[in-house]
Amino acid sequence: LAKTTQPISMDSYEGQEVNITCSHNNIATNDYITWYQQFPSQGPRFIIQGYKTKVTNEVASLFIPADRKSSTLSLPRVSLSDTAVYYCLVGGSGGSYIPTFGRGTSLIVHP
Amino acid sequence: ETGVTQTPRHLVMGMTNKKSLKCEQHLGHNAMYWYKQSAKKPLELMFVYNFKEQTENNSVPSRFSPECPNSSHLFLHLHTLQPEDSALYLCASSQTTSDRVNGYTFGSGTRLTVV
Repeated sequence: LAKTTQPISMDSYEGQEVNITCSHNNIATNDYITWYQQFPSQGPRFIIQGYKTKVTNEVASLFIPADRKSSTLSLPRVSLSDTAVYYCLVGGSGGSYIPTFGRGTSLIVHP
Repeated sequence: ETGVTQTPRHLVMGMTNKKSLKCEQHLGHNAMYWYKQSAKKPLELMFVYNFKEQTENNSVPSRFSPECPNSSHLFLHLHTLQPEDSALYLCASSQTTSDRVNGYTFGSGTRLTVV
């Protein structure tokens, strides 16, 4: 499984754009990149998934450069309710896809 | 509500008790998972079921016993637990264990405290 590295914590303010970058140097050719969000005492929630270039949905955007060795989750105009832990996961090639969660990035949004 | 329901939400049990955690999903998924999340630690995969068959046991102690009677229900039977087993136990489901496109759906978890 490709190992991922992301910042342990980030701070932001309401209304700002937040970008969380994840490094995955050993990503395999068929691996997908998936981001989850977790609030305290709740299960993680799927946010967005991509393979290359840019993916956008109603919650976030995911930017993936051509070499796919990193990815950036972009949260536009964060609010206090975006305070959570964000996990970057890489995998999916080879048939069985069972994501491995790291420590994630703890995002704190301040008023 | 995510579509994956876990009961109870909170459980306090003594070390000699026997209890069970329940997970139910009505998403039409065929794979179900148990994860453990201790305080300030990453999620640890415990068990995986695909089409009711256990496909992975991540070196979990025998005091945790999973059961998957059908693709919609998953249980975790607990007996003679230790205080260090106190954690948030999360259930998740996906279409199959090969489903990499749609991601996992997690329940809200059971907060277990062993006294």
